[in-house]
Amino acid sequence: QKEVEQDPGPLSVPEGAIVSLNCTYSNSAFQYFMWYRQYSRKGPELLMYTYSSGNKEDGRFTAQVDKSSKYISLFIRDSQPSDSATYLCAMSAPGTYKYIFGTGTRLKVLA
Amino acid sequence: DAGVIQSPRHEVTEMGQEVTLRCKPISGHNSLFWYRQTMMRGLELLIYFNNNVPIDDSGMPEDRFSAKMPNASFSTLKIQPSEPRDSAVYFCASSLGQGRNSNQPQHFGDGTRLSIL
Repeated sequence: QKEVEQDPGPLSVPEGAIVSLNCTYSNSAFQYFMWYRQYSRKGPELLMYTYSSGNKEDGRFTAQVDKSSKYISLFIRDSQPSDSATYLCAMSAPGTYKYIFGTGTRLKVLA
Repeated sequence: DAGVIQSPRHEVTEMGQEVTLRCKPISGHNSLFWYRQTMMRGLELLIYFNNNVPIDDSGMPEDRFSAKMPNASFSTLKIQPSEPRDSAVYFCASSLGQGRNSNQPQHFGDGTRLSIL
């Protein structure tokens, strides 16, 4: 079993839909949770960075962490065609430099 | 602010040739990471530098791979001799502090797309 599991998709949604992207993990030591967006032929771009449990909101994006279930989510409200990209979750434990990445979910928002 | 800058963006070369990838981290960041991304294996950490010192090179696949960080604003990843299986996208990332007392987010460059024929 991988430390971090992420559905590769692709996930296709109509413009304006609410998108839910998810990752599960097995290591209870993880405390830092990140979401990156990667456009084709570009590097991963940091979208959200959260510590421990709870929600964090930034514009149309909301990151949610449920440590009891070892489950994290990224919600995108009012999705736009420009949101079409691969979304990678990443996580790490305190005192370590290593990020464990999910394999990424390809999202397509259809106009 | 300038982000992480990598060069070249694309490199196509023949098997057996030496390849050098370059990275300029974000100014003030003291941690630098080299990753490799492939469809099959996703993002793999190759090597981690902290304050210009290599801390963990356990991800470097073979002795053909080497990395240096001569100063805080420059790092290279070298492959010699290159092989077709080295074809991938290589990313450099930097962050402000990693370790016991902090865990700052990593910021990535746009990568070098390497093709070995």
